[in-house]
Amino acid sequence: KAGVTQTPRYLIKTRGQQVTLSCSPISGHRSVSWYQQTPGQGLQFLFEYFSETQRNKGNFPGRFSGRQFSNSRSEMNVSTLELGDSALYLCASSLRGTGANVLTFGAGSRLTVL
Amino acid sequence: GQQLNQSPQSMFIQEGEDVSMNCTSSSIFNTWLWYKQDPGEGPVLLIALYKAGELTSNGRLTAQFGITRKDSFLNISASIPSDVGIYFCAGQAVSYSGGGADGLTFGKGTHLIIQP
Repeated sequence: KAGVTQTPRYLIKTRGQQVTLSCSPISGHRSVSWYQQTPGQGLQFLFEYFSETQRNKGNFPGRFSGRQFSNSRSEMNVSTLELGDSALYLCASSLRGTGANVLTFGAGSRLTVL
Repeated sequence: GQQLNQSPQSMFIQEGEDVSMNCTSSSIFNTWLWYKQDPGEGPVLLIALYKAGELTSNGRLTAQFGITRKDSFLNISASIPSDVGIYFCAGQAVSYSGGGADGLTFGKGTHLIIQP
């Protein structure tokens, strides 16, 4: 059974640009969550999607957005990139949509903003 | 927002030693999870805890969900070189606002290092 797949694994952007990251969940998983990991702040919740709907959102500015497609694949977008957006962006999927949510993480997309 | 205090930040251990780390929260959680992250990889789930007081083992790993629902600990017995990595606790509250489960709140991690 394939795990959570994130693309691209590494990318470099400059300030002001935008970026789109992609996540393919484990087959059959309908919930996809996104997290930002930085050395200073650790892992922070961005948002969660279930059945193409955003159900929960963390405390990030509106420059961070996402969406989920009918096949449960998800994308997140960051517009007007800032240096502080440099981070490892992790996607996680889960089978269950509500209640206790055991997440399986992908390897992440490492974004560097210059 | 919710805060998780994970300690220690780092541990220098000898192979074969037992390891203990814990997390405390200012809020109540309904689920506690422990993850391990290796360099260049995403976190991998080690143990999931769903009930206050629950004690669960996974091989040499044992974790407990505190009675107050505000803390959890992870023990590793007889450490081996492949135990090196960053261990994260994560707590999850359940949202009753009609959505689903809230996102996980993670501790800052415990770096486990094997001393030569």
